[in-house]
Amino acid sequence: DTGVSQDPRHKITKRGQNVTFRCDPISEHNRLYWYRQTLGQGPEFLTYFQNEAQLEKSRLLSDRFSAERPKGSFSTLEIQRTEQGDSAMYLCASSSGTGGSYNEQFFGPGTRLTVL
Amino acid sequence: GQSLEQPSEVTAVEGAIVQINCTYQTSGFYGLSWYQQHDGGAPTFLSYNALDGLEETGRFSSFLSRSDSYGYLLLQELQMKDSASYFCACRTGGGNKLTFGTGTQLKVEL
Repeated sequence: DTGVSQDPRHKITKRGQNVTFRCDPISEHNRLYWYRQTLGQGPEFLTYFQNEAQLEKSRLLSDRFSAERPKGSFSTLEIQRTEQGDSAMYLCASSSGTGGSYNEQFFGPGTRLTVL
Repeated sequence: GQSLEQPSEVTAVEGAIVQINCTYQTSGFYGLSWYQQHDGGAPTFLSYNALDGLEETGRFSSFLSRSDSYGYLLLQELQMKDSASYFCACRTGGGNKLTFGTGTQLKVEL
């Protein structure tokens, strides 16, 4: 068990560019979540997958954001036409659908996005 | 909407006991979780309460009162390494979606 991994760890981009982040969850976890965290705030829910199905998406998420989990394993989060307000830490988490750790989400180290 | 309120900062000395409170307003409440986050690190799970009462895990305990929409995290025998941000988070919906509070920064001093 190597934990949740995210790539890249840091991304600097210019306003208007598109960026894509990748998350590899713990292998046996069927649930995957994306959160966004800004300085001094708690993580904010963006979207959630169970296997390959995207079951929930935050109303705060604009159409510029899209996420996929094509084979029910890794996931990608794409932001199109980035804005300075998108600058944040993007966190991925995974959890098991059964068992004692059902209520525990395991977080990755995050991708820090800076939009210039 | 949904909201969780926590104190922004708490300071305590090594070896002491500290309680971090959390009040919440949410719909579709399933349970209350607590996460620890060190500066620059990822949130890590501490505890989860679905039912009223106290859950104890080593030096950490967590309490929930559903009727009062209130919970707390109790940290005993504080150590310097406990200096971190602590977040309460409501689980809403069957998918385990979490809504986080703004966090409490705990500073442990000698």
